[in-house]
Amino acid sequence: DIVMTQSPDSLAVSLGERATINCKSSQSVLYSSNNKNALAWYQQKPGQPPKLLIYWASTRESGVPDRFSGSGSGTDFTLTISSLQAEDVAVYYCQHYHGPPPSFGGGTKVEIK
Amino acid sequence: QVQVVESGGGLVKPGGSLRLSCAASGFTFSDYDMSWIRQAPGKGVEWISDIDTRSTFTCYADSVKGRFTISRDNAKNSLYLQMDSLRAEDTAVYYCVTGGTYYYDTWGPGTLVTVSS
Repeated sequence: DIVMTQSPDSLAVSLGERATINCKSSQSVLYSSNNKNALAWYQQKPGQPPKLLIYWASTRESGVPDRFSGSGSGTDFTLTISSLQAEDVAVYYCQHYHGPPPSFGGGTKVEIK
Repeated sequence: QVQVVESGGGLVKPGGSLRLSCAASGFTFSDYDMSWIRQAPGKGVEWISDIDTRSTFTCYADSVKGRFTISRDNAKNSLYLQMDSLRAEDTAVYYCVTGGTYYYDTWGPGTLVTVSS
């Protein structure tokens, strides 16, 4: 089974500054059929279900602000919030879907400094 | 709009059973693989089970295999999770999610299952 490891566990960033979250998979999540990485990012605010932000490692879900971007390939991935806003305070999860079972990272809590 | 809503959660004793339901609306339910995902209080997110559009393929996390059964009724736009032999560690919010094999794009609000004596 593929294990997803996120870092850091938490980070505090000033409003308007960049936030960077890392996600590492224990093996490659590259889909040979389409040459895309089977990696998604979610945002979860308190009392709410997770919300899909990014899929195929770098494709933004409809309606997601363009300050959110995903990058990486193979086993190493990054979610970047280019200019942190107050409404971005949340826990962020990565998830692979490279075959069953899918799995999530442990989450990264983003706060305002 | 696209929506899924879970029901059936509650308090159950260890060893007991519970059946969760998920009502889908705003999309063609029969076109979508579906999943159950759970989140223990204050913890991360755990995938539980997938079912394909025609119920020909199901899969389960090792933590629930042999105890939980996923099913669907496309005529009723509904997804189900039969949970037997419940344990304290099954205590969680259970989410019904569209996506199945890939990423999960629509999540319900969740239903809380508490397993306690």
